[in-house]
Amino acid sequence: KAGVTQTPRYLIKTRGQQVTLSCSPISGHRSVSWYQQTPGQGLQFLFEYFSETQRNKGNFPGRFSGRQFSNSRSEMNVSTLELGDSALYLCASSIRQGMGETQYFGPGTRLLVL
Amino acid sequence: AQSVTQLDSHVSVSEGTPVLLRCNYSSSYSPSLFWYVQHPNKGLQLLLKYTSAATLVKGINGFEAEFKKSETSFHLTKPSAHMSDAAEYFCVVPKGGNTGKLIFGQGTTLQVKP
Repeated sequence: KAGVTQTPRYLIKTRGQQVTLSCSPISGHRSVSWYQQTPGQGLQFLFEYFSETQRNKGNFPGRFSGRQFSNSRSEMNVSTLELGDSALYLCASSIRQGMGETQYFGPGTRLLVL
Repeated sequence: AQSVTQLDSHVSVSEGTPVLLRCNYSSSYSPSLFWYVQHPNKGLQLLLKYTSAATLVKGINGFEAEFKKSETSFHLTKPSAHMSDAAEYFCVVPKGGNTGKLIFGQGTTLQVKP
């Protein structure tokens, strides 16, 4: 079974631009979560989608948004990019929501904002 | 509120010697707990998870962890380190119930010397 895939893998943008990242979960998985990883802040939760509905949101500004499609694929969008948005963005999927559910991570999209 | 604290930011061992990566958790109830590993420029891979079935959990690549409620600890061990174990390790707890929101520790970088 194919793992979680993320596209693109690398991205360079300039301040003020917007960016859209894509995540395709493992087949049959309906929950998709997004995380931001930076050297200073570590791994931080952005949001979670389940069956096309946002179920949880982390403490990020409204410039960060996301959505999930009926096939469970998810996109996240960052508008008006800032230098501090440079990070590795990781997507994870699980079969369903639940405390013991294992989240499987994709390889990430590395975003560099100049 | 759930949280995890990784007690060492950096651990260095010689190849063939035991590995101990320490994690303490905070939770108002018996949590699920995970250890993930991240190799350079890679996504996160699940090593093992605890979901209250057994306190000693065996994972991949010879790693195991023991859940100790009295000490609120979930330390990761391996009897004999291999060069390929060099990576960053994260102790993780899900926040709340029925959620895909993971709370990550700050990570421990494992260095394996020949």
